[in-house]
Order: sequence, then structure tokens, then C-alpha cells
Amino acid sequence: NAGVTQTPKFRVLKTGQSMTLLCAQDMNHEYMYWYRQDPGMGLRLIHYSVGEGTTAKGEVPDGYNVSRLKKQNFLLGLESAAPSQTSVYFCASSYYPDTQYFGPGTRLTVL
Amino acid sequence: AQSVAQPEDQVNVAEGNPLTVKCTYSVSGNPYLFWYVQYPNRGLQFLLKYITGDNLVKGSYGFEAEFNKSQTSFHLKKPSALVSDSALYFCAVRAFAGGYQKVTFGTGTKLQVIP
Repeated sequence: NAGVTQTPKFRVLKTGQSMTLLCAQDMNHEYMYWYRQDPGMGLRLIHYSVGEGTTAKGEVPDGYNVSRLKKQNFLLGLESAAPSQTSVYFCASSYYPDTQYFGPGTRLTVL
Repeated sequence: AQSVAQPEDQVNVAEGNPLTVKCTYSVSGNPYLFWYVQYPNRGLQFLLKYITGDNLVKGSYGFEAEFNKSQTSFHLKKPSALVSDSALYFCAVRAFAGGYQKVTFGTGTKLQVIP
């Protein structure tokens, strides 16, 4: 039982490049979330999903897109990366909007 | 709008002393409250939660938290701090917002336990 896994762990992008972050969970959770963590800002919700095929915007959705084609996977895309998107990204999942289980994070640097 | 405040960016405590990490919240209706811990270069881990019932909630690693409705607080406590408790602690609240359940995290408090 791996829990929540994230790929990749680290990435460096140039401004304007695109990339996709993959989150996978093996707990059969309905809810999945993408957060970014910045110093002094805590965790801010980017997008979330309440089930396969659904997505919704969080607090800071601009510049990001998501997809939930399979229940176990939640993808976060950056179409044209900007330096302001330098951050640590965390994925989480939960059976209900209750206790969340977090992945180990992806550290992204945009130059 | 719901919110969570962690008024201290950092808390320093000597090993063996009791520790308290403060959290206050603002929601409409009954809150569900959580504490999470984050060790360096790791994701957040669940510590404990309050849903209803006894105001004193016990969680992992000897931590507990006290729900105080009149003061809208949910402070995290431990009777005797360990150096290994040094980490970043997040309070979170879940409540109905616009017809769905929303979870809001605080900005985090760094706990430093001094040997």
C-alpha cells in the first residue's frame, strides 16, 4: 500500500515551458487535491476533484489545469510556466472531505 | 468566509517542557478541526481531529488538542516535548461553504524543541 505518490520529485523549468505533475493514490479515495506551499503562505488549494471525471477550482487556480480521468490519478498541468509558479506542490486524497493523506511533494523551480 | 489563524510563526520550547501551539478559527456552523504535522522535506501527516463530543481530543505521538467553542480555539498540546517533535504544524478547519465542504489550512507554526 503506497498511499499517495507524486511524480516527479524535483523539476526545473524555463519560463514558458509546460509540464504535468502526476499524483496517484491506491486507497480508493473519491476526493483528490492539489496544493502549493510557499513560505509564510501555508497551503493553498489549486484545484480539487470530488470523483472520477470531476474537477473544480480552488483558491489559486490561474495558470494551472487538472484532469481526473481515472479515480486513482489526478494530474496537474502547467501550460506556460512562470517564475511565480516556483513552489512545492502537494497532492492529497481523502475518502470524504475529512482526513487528507498527502504525497511527498514535488519541488518545482521556474527560471 | 471561513478562516484559520495560527498567531505564532514559531514556538520554542525546552525538551521535557509542555508545549502549546495555538489555533483559532472562524466558520459558520459547526466546525470539523484538524491538526497536521510536516517534517522537513515531507508531506503533511494527520495528527488528530475534532468532530463532536469530548472537547479534549487525543492523537498520534502523545499530542492532544482542546476544542473551545466560546473562544473558537483548537490549541495543540503535549505534556512533555521531545526534540523529535520539532516540525511544522498546521491547523485546518472543514465546514460548509457555498453548498460544499471546504477545508482551509492555517499558515503553519514551526515548533522548535531545544535539547
